[in-house]
Amino acid sequence: SQTIHQWPATLVQPVGSPLSLECTVEGTSNPNLYWYRQAAGRGLQLLFYSVGIGQISSEVPQNLSASRPQDRQFILSSKKLLLSDSGFYLCAWSVTGEAFFGQGTRLTVV
Amino acid sequence: QQPVQSPQAVILREGEDAVINCSSSKALYSVHWYRQKHGEAPVFLMILLKGGEQKGHEKISASFNEKKQQSSLYLTASQLSYSGTYFCGTESRDYKLSFGAGTTVTVRA
Repeated sequence: SQTIHQWPATLVQPVGSPLSLECTVEGTSNPNLYWYRQAAGRGLQLLFYSVGIGQISSEVPQNLSASRPQDRQFILSSKKLLLSDSGFYLCAWSVTGEAFFGQGTRLTVV
Repeated sequence: QQPVQSPQAVILREGEDAVINCSSSKALYSVHWYRQKHGEAPVFLMILLKGGEQKGHEKISASFNEKKQQSSLYLTASQLSYSGTYFCGTESRDYKLSFGAGTTVTVRA
């Protein structure tokens, strides 16, 4: 069966520090992969999505970037975090339409 | 572009019905519905792929009007477990999956 791993679950980082969030999917091949951010009490903002290795579509021009070095690995990065980067980051995958979400990373930038 | 959901919030008593609407300004390939409990990840409810298609999950059903680029989620005879935030997701042909702002549903005994 397919599973998605996302880590860490919580993270507290100082302003200006780098960020790397990793997401891996098991049990499927060539999934579409997504990164979303959810501010407290708000909706799901699409940040990046990928339909294949090395193919990244960016939805939000800001200090975040994404990479897909392997078929089932999706990484969200930042060189310098801002206070406004705080939020709940969710990775998701899909193959046949429906998307399945990881458990999320709650990031607090202080 | 994100789909637009309405209403933003709804409060129900157990057994009551509710409708959540979702509309898009762009042509849609499919519409997804998810429910998120507080502090958890969203969970898939159903996907509608064709215009006019209707699907159901327990007493939760949905319809998709492809021509109007709209979808509606129907909560029938609501239960306490239906509480949460419901998101509609619209998928374009390039697999971009965007979500609305969500509708918070509170079901009270």
